Amino acid sequence: GNSVTQMEGPVTLSEEAFLTINCTYTATGYPSLFWYVQYPGEGLQLLLKATKADDKGSNKGFEATYRKETTSFHLEKGSVQVSDSAVYFCALTGNTGGFKTIFGAGTRLFVKA
Amino acid sequence: DAGVIQSPRHEVTEMGQEVTLRCKPISGHNSLFWYRQTMMRGLELLIYFNNNVPIDDSGMPEDRFSAKMPNASFSTLKIQPSEPRDSAVYFCAIQGDTGELFFGEGSRLTVL
Repeated sequence: GNSVTQMEGPVTLSEEAFLTINCTYTATGYPSLFWYVQYPGEGLQLLLKATKADDKGSNKGFEATYRKETTSFHLEKGSVQVSDSAVYFCALTGNTGGFKTIFGAGTRLFVKA
Repeated sequence: DAGVIQSPRHEVTEMGQEVTLRCKPISGHNSLFWYRQTMMRGLELLIYFNNNVPIDDSGMPEDRFSAKMPNASFSTLKIQPSEPRDSAVYFCAIQGDTGELFFGEGSRLTVL
């Protein structure tokens, strides 16, 4: 079945540092890939998406590229801010056998001033 | 702008009581998902509906859990009887055209 694996946290960075959160997936067919962010006490919010191979999703300085050859969708940001502190979830939605979304375990990011 | 309203936001109840969580998409959507989030197990898909019909309920933990979607604008998740291990945050989400999910703010359930 489909699955998503993302790096364990927590990740602690200083402000303006470079961020990478690794995500790899296993899926049949051609899934769409997503990153969601969850701030304390809130629901998950869509951060960015990519619906086909080689697509790059981007939003608020975050980027991720859909790499079919390595089955990866790593999240990057060139310069993090304290306000980026949150939990980040990698996810995929299959396009076969229904449109179920599978989430990774989440990676908590702490950014220090 | 897609959105979901969940109620109640917080519920504290005693073991054995019935709990009903509600989900109301702001605009009617055909695909609706219920997730449960805990520290130990992370985010778990309980059930999802398409065109108001349950498509996959394999994540529903046991018979004490049931969910309905009588129309495109309303869904409920019921736990009867509730147990302390059901304590979690329960999220409802609707799905966009390219598979993205739009989550409500969640219902935090505490079963004493």
